[in-house]
Amino acid sequence: GESVGLHLPTLSVQEGDNSIINCAYSNSASDYFIWYKQESGKGPQFIIDIRSNMDKRQGQRVTVLLNKTVKHLSLQIAATQPGDSAVYFCAEIINGGSQGNLIFGKGTKLSVKP
Amino acid sequence: DTGVSQDPRHKITKRGQNVTFRCDPISEHNRLYWYRQTLGQGPEFLTYFQNEAQLEKSRLLSDRFSAERPKGSFSTLEIQRTEQGDSAMYLCASSEFFGPGTRLTVL
Repeated sequence: GESVGLHLPTLSVQEGDNSIINCAYSNSASDYFIWYKQESGKGPQFIIDIRSNMDKRQGQRVTVLLNKTVKHLSLQIAATQPGDSAVYFCAEIINGGSQGNLIFGKGTKLSVKP
Repeated sequence: DTGVSQDPRHKITKRGQNVTFRCDPISEHNRLYWYRQTLGQGPEFLTYFQNEAQLEKSRLLSDRFSAERPKGSFSTLEIQRTEQGDSAMYLCASSEFFGPGTRLTVL
């Protein structure tokens, strides 16, 4: 069935270290992916997106990698800071986001130790 | 701040009451979505508007739920005869950008 899942429900890292959050998706028709950060009591915040015709995209301190062969997505956060502590969701969409809805996984909680 | 606003931010109601939430999306964004999120879960799709047309509804959207976007700008989500299971965060998204959500608690 269609689902977006995460390998690890929680991740604890030391401040300054790099974080890697993983995500597996099952719908091979998905062609647009977004990583969201959600802090407690707030709505999901768009971090970075990637289309299926790419395998890597970089933002400020974040990199998203897409492996379509194994249907795997990862979010790398460089030099993790306490403000990065949140739940991270990957979401997939079919049809390039021009229509249709996002499908979310359960999320990974990132805790940054000072 | 994504530019998407939702009102109210919190709503506490008694079982059986009706509630209505409002979403003001980013100007000129044609696509507007409603999602529901319960604790520890990712957001779940409820319904989708392209301008004023409601194009898709999830099976989660029972007949007690209704959404409108009359002029293709703001949208409302109404829940009639609320049940305790309706307690959740209701999120509005303007394309891929989310508002702060409305936290509903049904007593």
